[in-house]
Amino acid sequence: SQQGEEDPQALSIQEGENATMNCSYKTSINNLQWYRQNSGRGLVHLILIRSNEREKHSGRLRVTLDTSKKSSSLLITASRAADTASYFCATGIQGAQKLVFGQGTRLTINP
Amino acid sequence: NAGVTQTPKFQVLKTGQSMTLQCAQDMNHNSMYWYRQDPGMGLRLIYYSASEGTTDKGEVPNGYNVSRLNKREFSLRLESAAPSQTSVYFCASSVLEGLAYNEQFFGPGTRLTVL
Repeated sequence: SQQGEEDPQALSIQEGENATMNCSYKTSINNLQWYRQNSGRGLVHLILIRSNEREKHSGRLRVTLDTSKKSSSLLITASRAADTASYFCATGIQGAQKLVFGQGTRLTINP
Repeated sequence: NAGVTQTPKFQVLKTGQSMTLQCAQDMNHNSMYWYRQDPGMGLRLIYYSASEGTTDKGEVPNGYNVSRLNKREFSLRLESAAPSQTSVYFCASSVLEGLAYNEQFFGPGTRLTVL
């Protein structure tokens, strides 16, 4: 099964609202990363949070990490139509030289 | 800088045919990866190369081979294509910092259909 599992699988909100996506994982990690994928395109890195960090901000993005619960959340504030995309969490597993991606949350922002 | 480039962008194969997907990066990254993405799914790692001269299997390596030609280039070969290999293939690269990977940079993908 996937190391990272996102919740919800799909989310539809009105422009201007906040969007929250969650990611759970199973093993110890070095870091957790969030990526965005627009339809038909490659993934674009959004933010990286290290295992010793609890919260990180980048523009309208806020990421939290709770290593005791093995979970992370991505908050997008004041959403825009251009935020419509799929969002993936990826975990950098301790002792393994690779990232493991979740199945993603498909976010739709309605005008 | 072009970042990560992939060729071809689209390909249609018949069952049993072979082909090589090419990937190159101009960011002087140590590590390179090949993923496949099936409809509605996340990315699954096929093979990766932590540094020039090394390659390792990922989650779904069966039916594929790779070559790390030099620091810039990492190719993926399908020796005998099967319909189950119909997918979108992404190449990515990253700087390796100790055992922790930093952000990965992705190419635009290759859409492969096997009939």
